[in-house]
Amino acid sequence: DAGVIQSPRHEVTEMGQEVTLRCKPISGHNSLFWYRQTMMRGLELLIYFNNNVPIDDSGMPEDRFSAKMPNASFSTLKIQPSEPRDSAVYFCASSRGYAPYEQYFGPGTRLTVT
Amino acid sequence: DAKTTQPTSMDCAEGRAANLPCNHSTISGNEYVYWYRQIHSQGPQYIIHGLKNNETNEMASLIITEDRKSSTLILPHATLRDTAVYYCIVLDSNYQLIWGAGTKLIIKP
Repeated sequence: DAGVIQSPRHEVTEMGQEVTLRCKPISGHNSLFWYRQTMMRGLELLIYFNNNVPIDDSGMPEDRFSAKMPNASFSTLKIQPSEPRDSAVYFCASSRGYAPYEQYFGPGTRLTVT
Repeated sequence: DAKTTQPTSMDCAEGRAANLPCNHSTISGNEYVYWYRQIHSQGPQYIIHGLKNNETNEMASLIITEDRKSSTLILPHATLRDTAVYYCIVLDSNYQLIWGAGTKLIIKP
């Protein structure tokens, strides 16, 4: 079975540009999570969805970040405008059920903003 | 803030059992303990979780003390592919995983 799919795997962009990260969760999973990982701050939860509805976006750093889940098989995380401090690895994860239980992570998107 | 305490790093010889400790002295009675690991340049991987009883699966065993203030993850026969950062996790008040710094486990030949 395919795991969580993320695209692109690597993204290099200039400051001020819009960045869109994409995620396809595992089929049948109804919770989806976006994380950011940096050396300084470790792994941070940005937002999570349950049944396509955003439940908690308190981890989203600022208004430049937005996330959508238009259907059960697709989610996006958008940064507009991007800044160098947004450089990080962004992970998407999915799980069955509302509580985190067993989360399955994608391979991540490494974002570099110059 | 993370609600667990783990050693920063540990070494283990290949083929031996790797025992990774974790303190979670403030854990409440109905909170599970979760273990994940992250191999370099990959996404985290779920290993095991438990509440009170010891648990075992194909990857590892989890031993939880009777007072539930600490636990130990055991990899019975460590291989070089087990080199990773291991996270011991409990949930926050919103029922989400709180990720600390984890233990960097290095398996040596």
